[in-house]
Amino acid sequence: ETGVTQSPTHLIKTRGQQVTLRCSSQSGHNTVSWYQQALGQGPQFIFQYYREEENGRGNFPPRFSGLQFPNYSSELNVNALELDDSALYLCASSLGTGPIQYFGPGTRLLVL
Amino acid sequence: SQQGEEDPQALSIQEGENATMNCSYKTSINNLQWYRQNSGRGLVHLILIRSNEREKHSGRLRVTLDTSKKSSSLLITASRAADTASYFCATMIYNQGGKLIFGQGTELSVKP
Repeated sequence: ETGVTQSPTHLIKTRGQQVTLRCSSQSGHNTVSWYQQALGQGPQFIFQYYREEENGRGNFPPRFSGLQFPNYSSELNVNALELDDSALYLCASSLGTGPIQYFGPGTRLLVL
Repeated sequence: SQQGEEDPQALSIQEGENATMNCSYKTSINNLQWYRQNSGRGLVHLILIRSNEREKHSGRLRVTLDTSKKSSSLLITASRAADTASYFCATMIYNQGGKLIFGQGTELSVKP
């Protein structure tokens, strides 16, 4: 167990809806990164938050947005859901931009 | 886009045998890491090797890095059924916000 928690564990939405996923980082970690993992693929970096500010973004459209709170927990919001957004969403926490990231169990999103 | 490519995509061996997985990457790196994922759950960090290191050991794991060939290998010795999982290499490029760039993974099956 890494100490990183995510909620919910599973979610079903329909196309066009909006979704919010939540992540609590490991104690003492001030950086949260979000990844999208499609079936059979490696995780793809969405963005990273360090001390409540976005600190890097991958190749994802603006309808993917995020927040980090003063307690370093984080949210991932996805608007106007598309079928291709169906995936496992992983968050990972780390200390600063240290190399090792500690992953939560993920939220599996299905868009119908 | 994926930074790394892993080979083989799938590997099936008997308990007690050794398993070798290879990873190639495209750009200069600060470090390379290997992660393990059980059945679409969160990733667990296994080992990190820095760009100025050539080989590293951790228990039954041995990692090598050849920066001239932009490749790495992960060797698991005396495999066990519990080693059955997907294994991913991940590189980190610090001028891109400390994000991890994953390969597509090797699915390892260890038969008792």
